[in-house]
Amino acid sequence: SQQGEEDPQALSIQEGENATMNCSYKTSINNLQWYRQNSGRGLVHLILIRSNEREKHSGRLRVTLDTSKKSSSLLITASRAADTASYFCATAGGSGSARQLTFGSGTQLTVLP
Amino acid sequence: DSGVTQTPKHLITATGQRVTLRCSPRSGDLSVYWYQQSLDQGLQFLIHYYNGEERAKGNILERFSAQQFPDLHSELNLSSLELGDSALYFCASSQQGTGEKLFFGSGTQLSVL
Repeated sequence: SQQGEEDPQALSIQEGENATMNCSYKTSINNLQWYRQNSGRGLVHLILIRSNEREKHSGRLRVTLDTSKKSSSLLITASRAADTASYFCATAGGSGSARQLTFGSGTQLTVLP
Repeated sequence: DSGVTQTPKHLITATGQRVTLRCSPRSGDLSVYWYQQSLDQGLQFLIHYYNGEERAKGNILERFSAQQFPDLHSELNLSSLELGDSALYFCASSQQGTGEKLFFGSGTQLSVL
């Protein structure tokens, strides 16, 4: 079963608008990561936020984490057509060098030119 | 290019057959993770190897097995294939086994006919 669940499942916006995707998870975490997948391609790591952090920025990406609500959000500002992809949140279970990364079901983002 | 190499890119085979998927991690990465991605199941964690040793097992069927060799490349063996095994199989690598910042290969698309 998936540890993280993204919301919405699909999102369609115009170029230049902001896109917000949400992720909820079930168990306590050490960190939460966001990945991007272009259709049929491998996933690409975007950003990692640790459990003691509340917000993190990377370029046009902003990630927030609320451990009390077990939720995270990914904001993409000033979206571009090239941002069209699926976005997944992932949480790590296990410990030490035996961690496994569990992915959510993903949000399909479409940015219209 | 993530630096993770997966071969073959495409594989078409028949039910009951056995196939081997190969993965070469990024130079210096000790961890290899295998994932299965399908439309109905999403991204499912299969197994994690760290420096030649199995460290975590996920939803991996008994018909599936994997190993990581001394040169750190990994192979995923799928046997007695069924139609439902058709999926995109990803390998990912990371420096350590903490499940942080995985680098994904481009995947092997397996079609079981």
